Amino acid sequence: AQSVTQLDSQVPVFEEAPVELRCNYSSSVSVYLFWYVQYPNQGLQLLLKYLSGSTLVKGINGFEAEFNKSQTSFHLRKPSVHISDTAEYFCAVSFAGGSEKLVFGKGTKLTVNP
Amino acid sequence: DGGITQSPKYLFRKEGQNVTLSCEQNLNHDAMYWYRQDPGQGLRLIYYSQIVNDFQKGDIAEGYSVSREKKESFPLTVTSAQKNPTAFYLCASTRGINTDTQYFGPGTRLTVL
Repeated sequence: AQSVTQLDSQVPVFEEAPVELRCNYSSSVSVYLFWYVQYPNQGLQLLLKYLSGSTLVKGINGFEAEFNKSQTSFHLRKPSVHISDTAEYFCAVSFAGGSEKLVFGKGTKLTVNP
Repeated sequence: DGGITQSPKYLFRKEGQNVTLSCEQNLNHDAMYWYRQDPGQGLRLIYYSQIVNDFQKGDIAEGYSVSREKKESFPLTVTSAQKNPTAFYLCASTRGINTDTQYFGPGTRLTVL
């Protein structure tokens, strides 16, 4: 079955510290990978996506993610977080040859403390 | 500005009443989606539509209904058959290609009293 797992439901960090939010997927076909961010009581917006090519993808707000096919992972990283990065982050996957439906992970709540 | 609007932002209803949530987009997107979000559950797909006058059930369609009479509009009705309707509902749209970004509305928080 095709699925997405976000390994941490909550990640607390201090301001200016680095952060990694983990995402693993399960699929028997090629995938397209997305990270979305949701600020409180708002919709989601795209941070970055991997479709093909370079496995290191840079997104908005200083975030980047690396696609690792052998480990079926797409972890999100930021070298130095700000208070304003406090939000919930969702990893999502769509499948090559399939419909455009996305499968979402359950989300990781990032809290940046001063 | 192009985007997706959802109304209202907050909605309260009594148990047993049907309620319709609005979703409108002016992005000229073919595909539209409804998701339900509960704490710790991520986003779960309720219904989606790839073209006008056609829609498919998602993973949790029971107790919900939709229509797609116009390209820009995809209203969701939460019926009295939905056992636990209190949740945050998100509408999204794309061009309908699986590499495409989904654009989300601001959401409607439904509380059933």
